Amino acid sequence: SQTIHQWPATLVQPVGSPLSLECTVEGTSNPNLYWYRQAAGRGLQLLFYSVGIGQISSEVPQNLSASRPQDRQFILSSKKLLLSDSGFYLCAWSRTGYYGYTFGSGTRLTVV
Amino acid sequence: TQLLEQSPQFLSIQEGENLTVYCNSSSVFSSLQWYRQEPGEGPVLLVTVVTGGEVKKLKRLTFQFGDARKDSSLHITAAQPGDTGLYLCAGVRYGGSQGNLIFGKGTKLSVKP
Repeated sequence: SQTIHQWPATLVQPVGSPLSLECTVEGTSNPNLYWYRQAAGRGLQLLFYSVGIGQISSEVPQNLSASRPQDRQFILSSKKLLLSDSGFYLCAWSRTGYYGYTFGSGTRLTVV
Repeated sequence: TQLLEQSPQFLSIQEGENLTVYCNSSSVFSSLQWYRQEPGEGPVLLVTVVTGGEVKKLKRLTFQFGDARKDSSLHITAAQPGDTGLYLCAGVRYGGSQGNLIFGKGTKLSVKP
């Protein structure tokens, strides 16, 4: 069966520090991969998605970037965090959005 | 403009009550899903509906896709505290990218014992 791992679960970082969040998927190949950010208890904002190695599409211009160095690995990064980067970050994978996504357990990022 | 409007935004009820939450759009969707999310966790897929008028049941939860595939509803019978969470609808817009879901902002449900 397919599983998705996302870490760390929580992170407190000072303003101006770098960020690296990692997401890996097991049990499938060539998945579509997504990074979302969720405001407190509310809807999801798509940040990046990838349909293959090295292929990244950005939905919202911001202080963040994404990379897909391996088929089942998706990384969210920042060179210098801003206070506004605080939030709940979710990684997800799918074969096609038609049948839904499988989400990771999320990372709560607090920038102080 | 929010493509998928969910209502109500918040709902607080007593255990044993019935409730319905709605997901509406002016656009046609080729598929629509419902997710439940608990605090500090990722959303979990409950159901996918793809045919206009389709009804699916998952224990005490009943999901319906509108005939025109522009709206959906989730009905919970005899709600329990374990039903507490954020309910999100999401869909693939007809003619849109099959890869990317559009999400509503969610309905936050609290069921008190």
